Amino acid sequence: DAKTTQPNSMESNEEEPVHLPCNHSTISGTDYIHWYRQLPSQGPEYVIHGLTSNVNNRMASLAIAEDRKSSTLILHRATLRDAAVYYCILRDVVGEKLTFGTGTRLTIIP
Amino acid sequence: DSGVTQTPKHLITATGQRVTLRCSPRSGDLSVYWYQQSLDQGLQFLIQYYNGEERAKGNILERFSAQQFPDLHSELNLSSLELGDSALYFCASSVERALSGANVLTFGAGSRLTVL
Repeated sequence: DAKTTQPNSMESNEEEPVHLPCNHSTISGTDYIHWYRQLPSQGPEYVIHGLTSNVNNRMASLAIAEDRKSSTLILHRATLRDAAVYYCILRDVVGEKLTFGTGTRLTIIP
Repeated sequence: DSGVTQTPKHLITATGQRVTLRCSPRSGDLSVYWYQQSLDQGLQFLIQYYNGEERAKGNILERFSAQQFPDLHSELNLSSLELGDSALYFCASSVERALSGANVLTFGAGSRLTVL
């Protein structure tokens, strides 16, 4: 799987939007961009994924750059329950596994 | 509840011993993945099974083995345990009717192994 780069940590105030960046300059044309998060003492949880177009679901939005070399996970209104480690992962069409990096530890300030 | 069931939740054992971790995938999912998470290594992929057959192997030690049974549940066997094997072991499942980068994984709550 191609490599991704994320900031080690970020802080955000409660009830404000959060933009979590991810760089993936070596992304291939068939790589999907996946985001997972891991809350304290829990297993990773799927958040969202996309290929080329921006995506929205009930949890978040995914904004993908036109050249696909970067993406941003957007939490529209952060709550304390969004405090977690967020992983940005690339998975190709024939990929068999997800390779997790170190992720971004998001802290929400009340 | 993610639908992926892992047992036991906690396990404490001694060095040199052998343990078995069990995973029941989400109903309808054919693929099972095993991951190890230790404090200094992050989430490491160990092995994947699809419908009973091994599909992909990661950084799995020779002392570790796994299998997926006809009812699709999976077991991860860890033998000759060492202190460094203490970690959280996660199982994940996926439908994966076709090979696609769009397939998503559903993780269980994990089994915490402590080797003393």
